[in-house]
Amino acid sequence: GQNIDQPTEMTATEGAIVQINCTYQTSGFNGLFWYQQHAGEAPTFLSYNVLDGLEEKGRFSSFLSRSKGYSYLLLKELQMKDSASYLCAVIDSNYQLIWGAGTKLIIKP
Amino acid sequence: IAGITQAPTSQILAAGRRMTLRCTQDMRHNAMYWYRQDLGLGLRLIHYSNTAGTTGKGEVPDGYSVSRANTDDFPLTLASAVPSQTSVYFCASSDSSGASTDTQYFGPGTRLTVL
Repeated sequence: GQNIDQPTEMTATEGAIVQINCTYQTSGFNGLFWYQQHAGEAPTFLSYNVLDGLEEKGRFSSFLSRSKGYSYLLLKELQMKDSASYLCAVIDSNYQLIWGAGTKLIIKP
Repeated sequence: IAGITQAPTSQILAAGRRMTLRCTQDMRHNAMYWYRQDLGLGLRLIHYSNTAGTTGKGEVPDGYSVSRANTDDFPLTLASAVPSQTSVYFCASSDSSGASTDTQYFGPGTRLTVL
């Protein structure tokens, strides 16, 4: 079966750095997304990786290793507004998006 | 209208009733999707449409139907609601046909409670 694993919940301190991991086992791979979802709101796009390596976008970076079935989202200079769930999603060989359950990130002052 | 809108925002429904959730996008995206999101689970695809006039079944299609008469609208119907359909429903769209390599943009969601 297809599976995406993320930690259920993480806690970090304002101003710090946090890394949210995502491992996947899917039938094929055609890209990986990270989305941010604030409580009670819709998911919003953060990043897309299809090649190995690091993609940097401001305070957020996303890394992919296809050989290891692994990605992480790195958040720097954490702000209170970064408190949200972070969803990892993989495009499989049928071009369907497979979603992880999400990681709830709690930022403490 | 800007992006994707969904209606209603929330609804409480008696079991056995019929209900249609509305979704409209103004981005002229080819593909549209319906997901449900339940606590502790990832987004699960109910139905999708790669282009106007075509629809397909996702991971959890039972009890739901969709239609895609035009590019902008993609309503989701529950023919006879059951309590297990209590969930938050998200509509999404992307500028792609068949290959989901493009970013999906989500509507604000409909919170549905079936009693």
